[in-house]
Amino acid sequence: ILNVEQSPQSLHVQEGDSTNFTCSFPSSNFYALHWYRWETAKSPEALFVMTLNGDEKKKGRISATLNTKEGYSYLYIKGSQPEDSATYLCASENTGGFKTIFGAGTRLFVKA
Amino acid sequence: DTEVTQTPKHLVMGMTNKKSLKCEQHMGHRAMYWYKQKAKKPPELMFVYSYEKLSINESVPSRFSPECPNSSLLNLHLHALQPEDSALYLCASSQGSLGQETQYFGPGTRLLVL
Repeated sequence: ILNVEQSPQSLHVQEGDSTNFTCSFPSSNFYALHWYRWETAKSPEALFVMTLNGDEKKKGRISATLNTKEGYSYLYIKGSQPEDSATYLCASENTGGFKTIFGAGTRLFVKA
Repeated sequence: DTEVTQTPKHLVMGMTNKKSLKCEQHMGHRAMYWYKQKAKKPPELMFVYSYEKLSINESVPSRFSPECPNSSLLNLHLHALQPEDSALYLCASSQGSLGQETQYFGPGTRLLVL
């Protein structure tokens, strides 16, 4: 994989549902993986920076895992709330130049 | 203050106009970035400034000209743009540019080129 791919492109869930989505990234020369949350008309906001294979990070109801050998990360949201509605972006850095490559995001809609 | 501000929020310009986008942060960050994002596409890195020096230029056309007058300010000068340059332009900053650092984003300038 040369690009950062996110799936699904969009997701509709009911309030209270738990959900997860995927980020696939180049596993060669991996340096770091970032997750951002981007609400409409606001600035993207950092959720996690992950660097180690097997890393797991948690912030409230949101958690993320990292597999650097196979090049994927999962983001989980437990008990989704309407305020979780946003686009979730992941971005990969490699050691080749510390440039950050973004995925196109997963757009989450949580219905009350 | 953990905010990155960008002005203007919206900009409409003709292909012969000259305009500038501005970005400001007061977090003492020494790296600043310009990204371009088109609808439903990933943000694409354009430029990186590290300690007020241009360190990355992702082969951006010369009609886009970045400037970093000091460590808090980043400008993007626009001249003779094309309609396909219409996009959201995001500015970001980070403490340094050595990697594994969180980038703090502004809300973006939505640009329309007619």
